[in-house]
Amino acid sequence: GAVVSQHPSWVICKSGTSVKIECRSLDFQATTMFWYRQFPKQSLMLMATSNEGSKATYEQGVEKDKFLINHASLTLSTLTVTSAHPEDSSFYICSALGSDYGYTFGSGTRLTVV
Amino acid sequence: DAKTTQPPSMDCAEGRAANLPCNHSTISGNEYVYWYRQIHSQGPQYIIHGLKNNETNEMASLIITEDRKSSTLILPHATLRDTAVYYCIVRGAAGNKLTFGGGTRVLVKP
Repeated sequence: GAVVSQHPSWVICKSGTSVKIECRSLDFQATTMFWYRQFPKQSLMLMATSNEGSKATYEQGVEKDKFLINHASLTLSTLTVTSAHPEDSSFYICSALGSDYGYTFGSGTRLTVV
Repeated sequence: DAKTTQPPSMDCAEGRAANLPCNHSTISGNEYVYWYRQIHSQGPQYIIHGLKNNETNEMASLIITEDRKSSTLILPHATLRDTAVYYCIVRGAAGNKLTFGGGTRVLVKP
């Protein structure tokens, strides 16, 4: 079946630094990938939709200059949290949409900003 | 996309069937019903989806009412490993984003 690999699974960074999270579709091509954020005991909140070769579409209230998304190939999308602050600490999850497999989610990245 | 309503939590007994309801009264004709589950600190896992007809796979069965305004996910023999948050999502045509609601927190008890 379809597999999406997300890396790293957890990361701790200092306030003010940037963190990059990778999302790879391992056995299928994904023209569209999605990035979600999840706070404790809450549901997943869609942050942005990225299409290969074009600019990402951000949901209302999500700062595009803070959460940089790059989808340079059909198998890789990256989310960079720039100038991270403690309030950015969260569980970040990616999802890839393939033509045959529907939506497949990564295992998530737990970001802690100290 | 249509909004869904699910009970916030439910308990079920190990080995028994678990019936998870979902209300989607504003669903339109071309919108699918998807079910995902999320085990603690993991990404959501696909369970099943359907449009009009009832569906069954190795994980679960999906029963959609004739008017499509509600559906039920059935886990035929719940195990402790089925403890998770279950999300019912209504999605339009291919390429649309998946929008998650609150889900149902299911606790399977021995």
